[in-house]
Amino acid sequence: GEDVEQSLFLSVREGDSSVINCTYTDSSSTYLYWYKQEPGAGLQLLTYIFSNMDMKQDQRLTVLLNKKDKHLSLRIADTQTGDSAIYFCAESRRYGGSQGNLIFGKGTKLSVKP
Amino acid sequence: EAGVAQSPRYKIIEKRQSVAFWCNPISGHATLYWYQQILGQGPKLLIQFQNNGVVDDSQLPKDRFSAERLKGVDSTLKIQPAKLEDSAVYLCASSLEDLANTQYFGPGTRLTVL
Repeated sequence: GEDVEQSLFLSVREGDSSVINCTYTDSSSTYLYWYKQEPGAGLQLLTYIFSNMDMKQDQRLTVLLNKKDKHLSLRIADTQTGDSAIYFCAESRRYGGSQGNLIFGKGTKLSVKP
Repeated sequence: EAGVAQSPRYKIIEKRQSVAFWCNPISGHATLYWYQQILGQGPKLLIQFQNNGVVDDSQLPKDRFSAERLKGVDSTLKIQPAKLEDSAVYLCASSLEDLANTQYFGPGTRLTVL
């Protein structure tokens, strides 16, 4: 199919780790992204990974990429209530000479319980 | 550095009316995008500009939607006439011409069509 797929909901307890999974479709995508959206706000870029990398770590965030299975995950260590939001996975697809537009999943709503 | 600005933040209109949204990208960003985000979905690209030229408008419903980016800076997106299914958040994003195509999003305009 052509969709980027994510599970819709994830609930964790404060202090636990959260893992949000995503499968994408275009094996030629050069970059994959994670965005965060809080209620009533636009999308905030959290991190991205280049397709020739397996892993990228940035403070509490760890991104894992399995290119063979087209599987991307975002791990948030020591999850806090402020991490409650919708998390979008996106891939960048190029068309002709364009720089590429983002194809988003439907988003995973992360709820963090105190 | 100021972020992407959008106005208005909210708009309520009746079907068959017209509406226009405005976006001011981050200074120096040559590429500007308009996305439509329907409730419960990820954003979907409507149109991409590089400076004042259109790069990709394949997903723009051209019978009712139009967009322009005069002088390669600000942009307006217009819907005329609006339909009920146009109710959504309209997000503007801009990017530098970097390898990662890092896109920065504005807060969006929430449109309700009654």
